[in-house]
Amino acid sequence: DSGVTQTPKHLITATGQRVTLRCSPRSGDLSVYWYQQSLDQGLQFLIQYYNGEERAKGNILERFSAQQFPDLHSELNLSSLELGDSALYFCASSLGQGMPGGYTFGSGTRLTVV
Amino acid sequence: TQLLEQSPQFLSIQEGENLTVYCNSSSVFSSLQWYRQEPGEGPVLLVTVVTGGEVKKLKRLTFQFGDARKDSSLHITAAQPGDTGLYLCAALRANFGNEKLTFGTGTRLTIIP
Repeated sequence: DSGVTQTPKHLITATGQRVTLRCSPRSGDLSVYWYQQSLDQGLQFLIQYYNGEERAKGNILERFSAQQFPDLHSELNLSSLELGDSALYFCASSLGQGMPGGYTFGSGTRLTVV
Repeated sequence: TQLLEQSPQFLSIQEGENLTVYCNSSSVFSSLQWYRQEPGEGPVLLVTVVTGGEVKKLKRLTFQFGDARKDSSLHITAAQPGDTGLYLCAALRANFGNEKLTFGTGTRLTIIP
């Protein structure tokens, strides 16, 4: 157990639908990062939050949004889902904004859009 | 164009053999990390290298950061089936304000018993 909790572990939904993925960071970590992993694109950075504020954005689609709540858990919202959104979505956390301690990853949510 | 190119993309060798995988870039990094990812799990941090030329050892794994801090290698001695997995290098650019950690393309390693 890495200490980062992601739910649900698996999600199957239809095109056009909206889903919410949830992440609880490791105790004490203030930064949360969301990544998308697909076979052809590898591990792609989506967005980062630090202590409730958005700090960095990657190639995140406009149909996707995220937030970090006062208790530091984070949610990634995916809407108007398309078949190409099928992927593994990982959340990671770290104590601060740098990388000396590395990121701790959750086990991911496998999203299948049918 | 990928910031971090890893090679080989796939590697399958017999148990007991040695191997080296590489992580290359044209950019300079303040530090670089190696992760291993097993099926159904998230990446797990193996090591962070910070100083150009630095060598770190983790049991049978030896990590080296290039002198110019643009590349890194991972050498595994006497590979075991438990070493099977996806090996990812990751880095932040030196003097770059964006906080994101960028991952390489990965090397999928299979150790055959």
